[in-house]
Amino acid sequence: AQTVTQSQPEMSVQEAETVTLSCTYDTSESDYYLFWYKQPPSRQMILVIRQEAYKQQNATENRFSVNFQKAAKSFSLKISDSQLGDAAMYFCAYRRGSYGKLTFGQGTILTVHP
Amino acid sequence: KAGVTQTPRYLIKTRGQQVTLSCSPISGHRSVSWYQQTPGQGLQFLFEYFSETQRNKGNFPGRFSGRQFSNSRSEMNVSTLELGDSALYLCASSLLGQPEETQYFGPGTRLLVL
Repeated sequence: AQTVTQSQPEMSVQEAETVTLSCTYDTSESDYYLFWYKQPPSRQMILVIRQEAYKQQNATENRFSVNFQKAAKSFSLKISDSQLGDAAMYFCAYRRGSYGKLTFGQGTILTVHP
Repeated sequence: KAGVTQTPRYLIKTRGQQVTLSCSPISGHRSVSWYQQTPGQGLQFLFEYFSETQRNKGNFPGRFSGRQFSNSRSEMNVSTLELGDSALYLCASSLLGQPEETQYFGPGTRLLVL
């Protein structure tokens, strides 16, 4: 069974600084998809960024980028120029094959200090 | 386009009762997935529906069931509620439920079982 591990229960960053959230996963598959979702206190899950495993190039969305290391099964999220609105719980998620099912990590709570 | 909507947003029930939660996907989306989120177990996949058929199911007891209507709206039902069923229930929709698609989440229904 696939598992997703986020080893940092909590992280904090100063406004305008950069922070990296870690995620590792376990799979025997070669073709899959990885996602980072953000869940602010309002509880609405929002997609931050996605990565296709067959793509070598790391995904980037404005201030958010990933470091995808397929051999190491690592998928970290870098947030540059952190803003107060980035404060949330961040979930790493894996998906492959089966309909609908996302496998989530336990989440990392990110605090942004002004 | 309107996002995924879920009703009700909050619900309080007592042990032994049953509950029905509703989810309306983004217009045009035909796949609806349900997740349970608890502090202890995190986010866990319940089931996925497409064209009124359950295509995938997570590891939950038979007390958890669902259905999908011809307009793609979905309901999930929990019978004989237990204290441990207290959770945030999230639904997510995507176009066809394929692995490469992004799932868009609703705001969730917070269920409290007393």
